[in-house]
Amino acid sequence: DTAVSQTPKYLVTQMGNDKSIKCEQNLGHDTMYWYKQDSKKFLKIMFSYNNKELIINETVPNRFSPKSPDKAHLNLHINSLELGDSAVYFCASSRGTGGYEQYFGPGTRLTVT
Amino acid sequence: KQEVTQIPAALSVPEGENLVLNCSFTDSAIYNLQWFRQDPGKGLTSLLLIQSSQREQTSGRLNASLDKSSGRSTLYIAASQPGDSATYLCAVRRSTGGGNKLTFGTGTQLKVEL
Repeated sequence: DTAVSQTPKYLVTQMGNDKSIKCEQNLGHDTMYWYKQDSKKFLKIMFSYNNKELIINETVPNRFSPKSPDKAHLNLHINSLELGDSAVYFCASSRGTGGYEQYFGPGTRLTVT
Repeated sequence: KQEVTQIPAALSVPEGENLVLNCSFTDSAIYNLQWFRQDPGKGLTSLLLIQSSQREQTSGRLNASLDKSSGRSTLYIAASQPGDSATYLCAVRRSTGGGNKLTFGTGTQLKVEL
């Protein structure tokens, strides 16, 4: 009974392609997030949605477009992939936005060649 | 802008040793601080969440302390075991607004040897 799940776990693609990563949580949480972990293992937030509404958008290129069809899902679509997009992308969720503990998915390792 | 630093970047200790991991942050206006561990190729596991009004939190062999005014937190691991080998991350949440955004530290890679 995985709490926060992501698909796929690994994604290898060529520059210029468009790809999507999916995230689902079964914790009944209202808030979901996307984080990026770069090659130096530094984690940085990209987006956050609360009740399907975008509340955090951290200076991310507009090639990245999150979509939340419902509270349990937050997908990340990336257009025109670049080499620098290679990273591990983590999805997370929390009960709400008021300082609640965040629970992370297993990550999706994206490699752009 | 909040910056979070963890020292040391890497640490290798023999099994059974007690150890301390350090986390410092530049903006003391935090709501809480969360410690995570990350195993190679895996996601993050939350270890402890300590509120800004608290001085410490304990879970099993782990004890996290928080000195908000000086911008520091420590994670104490008692009687370390090889299974504790992982990267430990601290993350802070600002006190107002921010939508529950976490700012992560640079991580400490811990290796506990037999």
